[in-house]
Amino acid sequence: GAGVSQSPSNKVTEKGKDVELRCDPISGHTALYWYRQSLGQGLEFLIYFQGNSAPDKSGLPSDRFSAERTGGSVSTLTIQRTQQEDSAVYLCASSPTGVPPLHFGNGTRLTVT
Amino acid sequence: AQSVTQPDIHITVSEGASLELRCNYSYGATPYLFWYVQSPGQGLQLLLKYFSGDTLVQGIKGFEAEFKRSQSSFNLRKPSVHWSDAAEYFCAVGSNQAGTALIFGKGTTLSVSS
Repeated sequence: GAGVSQSPSNKVTEKGKDVELRCDPISGHTALYWYRQSLGQGLEFLIYFQGNSAPDKSGLPSDRFSAERTGGSVSTLTIQRTQQEDSAVYLCASSPTGVPPLHFGNGTRLTVT
Repeated sequence: AQSVTQPDIHITVSEGASLELRCNYSYGATPYLFWYVQSPGQGLQLLLKYFSGDTLVQGIKGFEAEFKRSQSSFNLRKPSVHWSDAAEYFCAVGSNQAGTALIFGKGTTLSVSS
């Protein structure tokens, strides 16, 4: 079946612009995670959605970052007033119930110039 | 503090040779342990997982890992490496509580020489 789908695969933006990254989880998966992978670093947890519950935003690095999940399915990660340090690969993952393991998409590579 | 340490940033192995990638963790609860592999431009693919029971777990692509509670380790092994195994490998720890974020190590890059 279809895996986790992320778009765009690559995004280049100018410093100060807003960007939106999209994630379409595996059908039927109620849990959705966003992670950030910076060069030479591991994966940094950003935010977690479970069904219709309030999201766990504890990993968001600043108030420029926000995410929403509509209809318990597709999620959008928004970064406002992008900075060069936001350049990274943003990975989305889903799981059937929120218990690992997680199924990852191929990521969106964001470059802020 | 909860963390995962992968001591080797980069390893080079000859094709056909054996492989061991090290992973140590610090976690306050009963750990669920995972190894993922990432090829360039791709997402993370699950190789294997350990929840409980037999401490030697088998995964895909001929990989196995051994959980050693006394050493807080979960090392990944493969008896004979193939050139297609060249990739980045991540160890991760989590729990059986829904919504608990997986904590990842910084990864080990594997190169395979002919």
